[in-house]
Amino acid sequence: GENVEQHPSTLSVQEGDSAVIKCTYSDSASNYFPWYKQELGKGPQLIIDIRSNVGEKKDQRIAVTLNKTAKHFSLHITETQPEDSAVYFCAASPYGQNFVFGPGTRLSVLP
Amino acid sequence: DAGVIQSPRHEVTEMGQEVTLRCKPISGHNSLFWYRQTMMRGLELLIYFNNNVPIDDSGMPEDRFSAKMPNASFSTLKIQPSEPRDSAVYFCASSPRGPNTGELFFGEGSRLTVL
Repeated sequence: GENVEQHPSTLSVQEGDSAVIKCTYSDSASNYFPWYKQELGKGPQLIIDIRSNVGEKKDQRIAVTLNKTAKHFSLHITETQPEDSAVYFCAASPYGQNFVFGPGTRLSVLP
Repeated sequence: DAGVIQSPRHEVTEMGQEVTLRCKPISGHNSLFWYRQTMMRGLELLIYFNNNVPIDDSGMPEDRFSAKMPNASFSTLKIQPSEPRDSAVYFCASSPRGPNTGELFFGEGSRLTVL
């Protein structure tokens, strides 16, 4: 089955700097890679996703890149703000099957 | 539109007691998922339903756990008897098109503490 690893487990950046979170997956059949943000006391919320026919996707300050050959994908947040502080989860999913989530990265944006 | 609604938000119970967690998915969504979140194991899928039918329950840890979806607007996750190791946050999520095909909409979770 699919196995997703995520690094780092914690990340602290200064406000305005960029943050990068990296994930690797094991199942070459995976073709859908969402990223979720979880704020304290709330459920995870989708912030961006990418499919295997695309190498990069951007939405304002957030971008995701995918390298299918190496089986890794990354989340990039530019110009970080205090409200970006949260736990971020990557996930991978073979078509028609369920997401396997990574263990999460706790991002702290320091003022 | 209301999101996914879960109840109770918090439950504290004693070992051996029955626990029932409830979920109302977003209207029109045809897939419903139950996840468990712990520090040690992260987010784990327990079971998911498609059009009210259980499709994959391989994540249900043992026979003490059961889930039902009697109609499109309601689902329950039951633990009987509960044990301290069941302490976790349980999330319900719904999706308009099923697994892998798009966004999961999560509820705010039910935090269960078993003493």
